[in-house]
Amino acid sequence: GAVVSQHPSWVICKSGTSVKIECRSLDFQATTMFWYRQFPKQSLMLMATSNEGSKATYEQGVEKDKFLINHASLTLSTLTVTSAHPEDSSFYICSGGGRTDTQYFGPGTRLTVL
Amino acid sequence: GENVEQHPSTLSVQEGDSAVIKCTYSDSASNYFPWYKQELGKGPQLIIDIRSNVGEKKDQRIAVTLNKTAKHFSLHITETQPEDSAVYFCAAIGSQAGTALIFGKGTTLSVSS
Repeated sequence: GAVVSQHPSWVICKSGTSVKIECRSLDFQATTMFWYRQFPKQSLMLMATSNEGSKATYEQGVEKDKFLINHASLTLSTLTVTSAHPEDSSFYICSGGGRTDTQYFGPGTRLTVL
Repeated sequence: GENVEQHPSTLSVQEGDSAVIKCTYSDSASNYFPWYKQELGKGPQLIIDIRSNVGEKKDQRIAVTLNKTAKHFSLHITETQPEDSAVYFCAAIGSQAGTALIFGKGTTLSVSS
């Protein structure tokens, strides 16, 4: 299957700082990328949908000013958690979709905010 | 919108036994149903998928069945092995590319040797 990478795989930061997570589709062009967060022992919760070159669509309850998403190219989307707080600690996962409905997930980024 | 329910939430089997996980969906327009396996600390991995024009699909020890009338689909794992232990998620989606998957809540499968 297609490969999606994420960087970093884990990050620890102080409360109030911003963290950027990169999501790359390595061998296909991801017209659409999705960002999820996952708390321990729970399912994936969709945060936002981003299409290359346009603004992201955020799910209800997700603060767009706090979780900034940029999808500048067909192979790269970034999620920036601004002014992170301990409650933002979670596992963030991206997925990429091309021209079909099949989606491939990245390995995830573990964010810990102290 | 779409709602996906998944059962059971946990499943324990002996090595060599079969495991079955069931999901139901609410939106009759959904026509793509993937299954993902997630190991601890990793992202979900697509293991098999089925589209609504097919009733069953098999890949070695893994099979998925779909009943469009009843709006349910199931994952079947035969001859389970300890390395099959993981969390399994079902999902459903409409036909339009760029639409987000709707996930079930997951099933933790434990295979004991």
